[in-house]
Amino acid sequence: GQQVMQIPQYQHVQEGEDFTTYCNSSTTLSNIQWYKQRPGGHPVFLIQLVKSGEVKKQKRLTFQFGEAKKNSSLHITATQTTDVGTYFCAGPDNYGQNFVFGPGTRLSVLP
Amino acid sequence: SQTIHQWPATLVQPVGSPLSLECTVEGTSNPNLYWYRQAAGRGLQLLFYSVGIGQISSEVPQNLSASRPQDRQFILSSKKLLLSDSGFYLCARRGGGGYGYTFGSGTRLTVV
Repeated sequence: GQQVMQIPQYQHVQEGEDFTTYCNSSTTLSNIQWYKQRPGGHPVFLIQLVKSGEVKKQKRLTFQFGEAKKNSSLHITATQTTDVGTYFCAGPDNYGQNFVFGPGTRLSVLP
Repeated sequence: SQTIHQWPATLVQPVGSPLSLECTVEGTSNPNLYWYRQAAGRGLQLLFYSVGIGQISSEVPQNLSASRPQDRQFILSSKKLLLSDSGFYLCARRGGGGYGYTFGSGTRLTVV
């Protein structure tokens, strides 16, 4: 079945450093979504990418969808302590009915 | 708005006791609703989803069941809890038009 993988599992950075998490799918995706979950909180939808090679920005966050639509990345420039949390990607399942979530990348930012 | 209400926020239950978690949704009719479980430090596991009243699809064989008695109400239940049922339970609804899932604030269940 559909599998969505993410690397790294954990990332510790110093405040001000950049951070990137990568998402890879075993199949071509029609679209991909990204979520952020703060410690103790619930996942919050960040963005959806649809087009091959699409790049979207939200302030210091840059999201990219691969040309083959099988991978995606989230890059954070100059991390802040407010960026702490787990970042999940999610892609449609084989039936297009629901989304399959990746295992997430947990980001720690040291002040 | 697409507000999702879940309660309680935390719950400690003994092994073998029953469970009932309720989720109610505001803002729209006939939403697709979901129950996810998240083990500590892990990803999201889809348990059940519902596309309408009385319609439940189970993704993983569990010691759990779900029901949708009303359009905006989704209930997760168990007759006898196991230690392995501990986790963070999240109710969600699927957005449309390029919007993703909206999650409730979750229930943190500890089975002791």
